[in-house]
Amino acid sequence: QKEVEQNSGPLSVPEGAIASLNCTYSDRGSQSFFWYRQYSGKSPELIMFIYSNGDKEDGRFTAQLNKASQYVSLLIRDSQPSDSATYLCAAGGGGFKTIFGAGTRLFVKA
Amino acid sequence: EAEVAQSPRYKITEKSQAVAFWCDPISGHATLYWYRQILGQGPELLVQFQDESVVDDSQLPKDRFSAERLKGVDSTLKIQPAELGDSAMYLCASSLPLLAGGHETQYFGPGTRLLVL
Repeated sequence: QKEVEQNSGPLSVPEGAIASLNCTYSDRGSQSFFWYRQYSGKSPELIMFIYSNGDKEDGRFTAQLNKASQYVSLLIRDSQPSDSATYLCAAGGGGFKTIFGAGTRLFVKA
Repeated sequence: EAEVAQSPRYKITEKSQAVAFWCDPISGHATLYWYRQILGQGPELLVQFQDESVVDDSQLPKDRFSAERLKGVDSTLKIQPAELGDSAMYLCASSLPLLAGGHETQYFGPGTRLLVL
């Protein structure tokens, strides 16, 4: 069964620090990888997507993909209390079903 | 900014009753998804449409759940009869199809929170 694994957390970081969120996936056929942010009681909001090995930066967010290790990560620089949320990792693409992880809860302490 | 619309936002019903959820995807998005998300878990795909056709409904409990997208635009998800275990957030998402180069990036609506008593 195809799986996406995430540490449930909570991951607690002080304001201004770098938060590092990690994800592994089981299906080597996965081609597209997504990070979503989900506030409590709200729907997932797309933060970033990545398709190629390496890093992709967007503002304070950097996604990293290593297909050989089947590993995806999200770095949040200068973490703010407003970043406190659950972060969902998802893997899919290539016409296959997108599988979501259970999410990592992040808490940024002011 | 284009958004996925869903209604209702909240629904409280008694077990054995029928409930229905509606979704209108982002204009031009041919692919539509219905997910169920239980508290503390990630979204689980219930059904995926490509235009009006079902692409994947392998995880849809077909004895009580049904979904349709008759004209290939908006969609309805129905539960009849509702059970206590159906209490969850029901999410609709849409994406451009793979051939259009959209890489199947899914955009979610606000969701419908269902409570079955």
